[in-house]
Amino acid sequence: NAGVTQTPKFQVLKTGQSMTLQCAQDMNHNSMYWYRQDPGMGLRLIYYSASEGTTDKGEVPNGYNVSRLNKREFSLRLESAAPSQTSVYFCASRTDRGSLPLHFGNGTRLTVT
Amino acid sequence: AQRVTQPEKLLSVFKGAPVELKCNYSYSGSPELFWYVQYSRQRLQLLLRHISRESIKGFTADLNKGETSFHLKKPFAQEEDSAMYYCALSSLGGGADGLTFGKGTHLIIQP
Repeated sequence: NAGVTQTPKFQVLKTGQSMTLQCAQDMNHNSMYWYRQDPGMGLRLIYYSASEGTTDKGEVPNGYNVSRLNKREFSLRLESAAPSQTSVYFCASRTDRGSLPLHFGNGTRLTVT
Repeated sequence: AQRVTQPEKLLSVFKGAPVELKCNYSYSGSPELFWYVQYSRQRLQLLLRHISRESIKGFTADLNKGETSFHLKKPFAQEEDSAMYYCALSSLGGGADGLTFGKGTHLIIQP
């Protein structure tokens, strides 16, 4: 049981380049989330998906797009990367809309130069 | 709007000393509170949740609705407790929009 798997672990982009961060979970969870973690800022929600086929904006969605490909997979896309998007990105999932805890992936460390 | 405040960015204590990481929240409904821990460059892991009223790795936290607080405590700190700690809030029984996190407290346990 792998839990929540994120790829890649590390990535360096130049300003203006695009990339997609992949996330997959094998726990049959309905809800999936993308957070970014920055020093002194904690974790901020970028986008979330309450169920397959639905996505919603979180606190800091600008510059990002997401796709809930199926129940297992939730990808985050940066169309034109900016240095301000240098961060550690965490994917998370949980069972349903209830208050059960989130399960996190190992994170993707992204640097935009 | 819901908010979680962790007033200390950094907390340094000596091994064997008591530890208290503060967390205050602002929420109009019935909250569920969590503490997550992140060891160096690892994923966030759930430490405990108020609804379970359990003790994990010697840590406890009590929800005080009057003071809107959920402070994390441990009577005797150990070096392996050094990590980032995040307090988080969710609406009880609902809310698809994940958890609202505080900015975190970096706990350093000195030998």
